[in-house]
Amino acid sequence: DTGVSQDPRHKITKRGQNVTFRCDPISEHNRLYWYRQTLGQGPEFLTYFQNEAQLEKSRLLSDRFSAERPKGSFSTLEIQRTEQGDSAMYLCASSLPQGGSYNEQFFGPGTRLTVL
Amino acid sequence: RKEVEQDPGPFNVPEGATVAFNCTYSNSASQSFFWYRQDCRKEPKLLMSVYSSGNEDGRFTAQLNRASQYISLLIRDSKLSDSATYLCVVRGSYIPTFGRGTSLIVHP
Repeated sequence: DTGVSQDPRHKITKRGQNVTFRCDPISEHNRLYWYRQTLGQGPEFLTYFQNEAQLEKSRLLSDRFSAERPKGSFSTLEIQRTEQGDSAMYLCASSLPQGGSYNEQFFGPGTRLTVL
Repeated sequence: RKEVEQDPGPFNVPEGATVAFNCTYSNSASQSFFWYRQDCRKEPKLLMSVYSSGNEDGRFTAQLNRASQYISLLIRDSKLSDSATYLCVVRGSYIPTFGRGTSLIVHP
């Protein structure tokens, strides 16, 4: 399967613990996005990378959230000191750039986080 | 006012019906518009882009009305397999904003 992959698919953690999720984009895609989706809502943009550069992070929900893409390939999203309100589906998407215009985003299957 | 608004539905229609969804957006500088489809507990997938002149893909037609700031999706001859949530997406600069989605249920 050459699509976007995410790991783990499910994560259950206790409040206060740190969690890290991984996203592997489609290999030739240099744009990578993270979203959060809660029940009954659409995906909510969190942050975005072009290659290894994080070009937008103002939408990260708090300073407990951080993301990296150290070599411009896979990315990680970390949530520190998790809270019950962090329970959600975390989606990753990747796309090709094309002169600044929007290219189709391909989404991974998501990581479902449950904070007890 | 939310940036992108959709009626969550559900829209419950029989097979063969025609159904239309609207999506309104607040940022008049928005540049790009899309419809995504999301099946239950699955990831969103691009259904179609929305162009100023309107565009059609088989049974699906998308329209953009910049003056009134809304986009629409028309589905003709609904199939059972069309049952899903339809998300509209509006992009201003490079940040896509998703609506909450409209749920469609097509019944026999």
